[in-house]
Amino acid sequence: GAVVSQHPSWVICKSGTSVKIECRSLDFQATTMFWYRQFPKQSLMLMATSNEGSKATYEQGVEKDKFLINHASLTLSTLTVTSAHPEDSSFYICSAREGNRVVGYGYTFGSGTRLTVV
Amino acid sequence: SQQGEEDPQALSIQEGENATMNCSYKTSINNLQWYRQNSGRGLVHLILIRSNEREKHSGRLRVTLDTSKKSSSLLITASRAADTASYFCATAPTTGANSKLTFGKGITLSVRP
Repeated sequence: GAVVSQHPSWVICKSGTSVKIECRSLDFQATTMFWYRQFPKQSLMLMATSNEGSKATYEQGVEKDKFLINHASLTLSTLTVTSAHPEDSSFYICSAREGNRVVGYGYTFGSGTRLTVV
Repeated sequence: SQQGEEDPQALSIQEGENATMNCSYKTSINNLQWYRQNSGRGLVHLILIRSNEREKHSGRLRVTLDTSKKSSSLLITASRAADTASYFCATAPTTGANSKLTFGKGITLSVRP
């Protein structure tokens, strides 16, 4: 089945530094990937839709200059949290769907990245 | 913005019992999906039901969809301690690969051994 690898699984960084999170589709090509943010005991909130070879589409209220998304290839999308602050601490999850799969399949999610900004 | 609203928000049952979780949504959908999330992990896709389907089964899972009421239910039969997790419903407006999922708030299921 489809596998999405997300790295790192957890990271602790100092306030003011930047952190990059990678999301890779291992056995399929993902023209579109999605980035979510999840606070403890809450649901997933879509941050942006990442399109290979073009600019990401951000959801309302998400700062695109703070959360930089690059989708350089059909198998890799990265999310960079720039100048991180403690309020950026959260669980970040990516997902993708193999575009040519038979309708009826869901999306494949990465295992998530726990970001803690101190 | 969140579309799905699950209830109950938390459910605790004894191993072997059935667990029923409900989800309501607000707008038109192409399909509705249920996902499971273990603590601190990513989501695992459980089952998808299309808007023209009313019921679907997968192993111990049974999902129903009532588009007139904009609601869905997930039934887990003969629950096991390993079923302890958070469960989310998510709606998709279209079938395309770039169709955005909108998640509900989630239900925390605890299955006591």
